[in-house]
Amino acid sequence: AQSVTQLDSHVSVSEGTPVLLRCNYSSSYSPSLFWYVQHPNKGLQLLLKYTSAATLVKGINGFEAEFKKSETSFHLTKPSAHMSDAAEYFCVVSDPSSASKIIFGSGTRLSIRP
Amino acid sequence: NAGVTQTPKFQVLKTGQSMTLQCAQDMNHNSMYWYRQDPGMGLRLIYYSASEGTTDKGEVPNGYNVSRLNKREFSLRLESAAPSQTSVYFCASSPSFGTNYGYTFGSGTRLTVV
Repeated sequence: AQSVTQLDSHVSVSEGTPVLLRCNYSSSYSPSLFWYVQHPNKGLQLLLKYTSAATLVKGINGFEAEFKKSETSFHLTKPSAHMSDAAEYFCVVSDPSSASKIIFGSGTRLSIRP
Repeated sequence: NAGVTQTPKFQVLKTGQSMTLQCAQDMNHNSMYWYRQDPGMGLRLIYYSASEGTTDKGEVPNGYNVSRLNKREFSLRLESAAPSQTSVYFCASSPSFGTNYGYTFGSGTRLTVV
């Protein structure tokens, strides 16, 4: 069975400091992994995805994530936070053998302090 | 650049009333999905349509029906609304039915059942 755990429900950082949003997954298969961002009252936007190519994945808006199979993690990072990064972030795991088995994490709310 | 369009954006229903949420995409995607988003629970799949002419149940289908009207449109119907269906509903689409594809999401429908 698949599962995804976002380890922090809320993360607060100062503008200009690094961002780390943590995600651990469990999957019986080699999973596909995604990060989505949701700004207030908006739909979800794909930030980046891992599909068994390079383990370090670069996304939009300066975000990147590293797939670590040994740690079953797919943490999202950004070197320097901007005020516009304040949003909810969702880690998603999917089972390539069954397209309907896509599991969303419960979300991490990122706040940016001026 | 409309992407995925959902209507209405907001709706208040009385218990027992029915309504249909509309979703249309203009990206020529084959697959479409309906999710509900509840606090602390991430997104849960209600129904999906892998391709025009097919629909299947997701994780939480009870109380809902869907229609894939054509390639562009995928509607979600609540036949007899219940307070437990108070949620934010998202429609999404993807080029094909496969977990390697990221999804494009609509901006959501916020439904309150009183």
